[in-house]
Amino acid sequence: DVKVTQSSRYLVKRTGEKVFLECVQDMDHENMFWYRQDPGLGLRLIYFSYDVKMKEKGDIPEGYSVSREKKERFSLILESASTNQTSMYLCASSTGTGGNQPQHFGDGTRLSIL
Amino acid sequence: AQKVTQAQTEISVVEKEDVTLDCVYETRDTTYYLFWYKQPPSGELVFLIRRNSFDEQNEISGRYSWNFQKSTSSFNFTITASQVVDSAVYFCALSSFGAAGNKLTFGGGTRVLVKP
Repeated sequence: DVKVTQSSRYLVKRTGEKVFLECVQDMDHENMFWYRQDPGLGLRLIYFSYDVKMKEKGDIPEGYSVSREKKERFSLILESASTNQTSMYLCASSTGTGGNQPQHFGDGTRLSIL
Repeated sequence: AQKVTQAQTEISVVEKEDVTLDCVYETRDTTYYLFWYKQPPSGELVFLIRRNSFDEQNEISGRYSWNFQKSTSSFNFTITASQVVDSAVYFCALSSFGAAGNKLTFGGGTRVLVKP
């Protein structure tokens, strides 16, 4: 089974801090994704990566950056955390390029910015 | 642009009732894929099913069934004889053939509450 591991289930940070969310997958997947999930808005794509050192903006990239130095690891960075970034963050991975492969998700990180 | 709409935000049923979740999508692509995911209270999204745009055959898996109709751009999901363990948020999602990195567009989700 595919395992996607997010470093923290719950995280509390302060406004203005630089925040790192880490995600590791163990199935050699090419593609990795970061979403945020807010009530009534579903999942919104922040960034994704289809290869090491490659990244593409999703629908809501403002205020975030990402890093993919190794194939198995994809980091989400909040450069200067703000209260409107309080949310559930979900990492996912998938294989292939045909659009037909399901994404596999981690357990999520519930981030609170005070 | 692609769009997925799940008009029902929350459905509450009593155990053993059937429940149908609606999903309507918009895309200009001729080849695309539709997915359903389940998110239980624990938080992890679990993949349930994938459908190709060129395969309109309905599918049944145990108590779950899916009705795909291209003519109405819908991909509805029915849980038969619901159980308390079916309580979760269900998401419908859409991907296009060749989409960079297999990007998915998600609907807003439908919360299902099954009462004993």
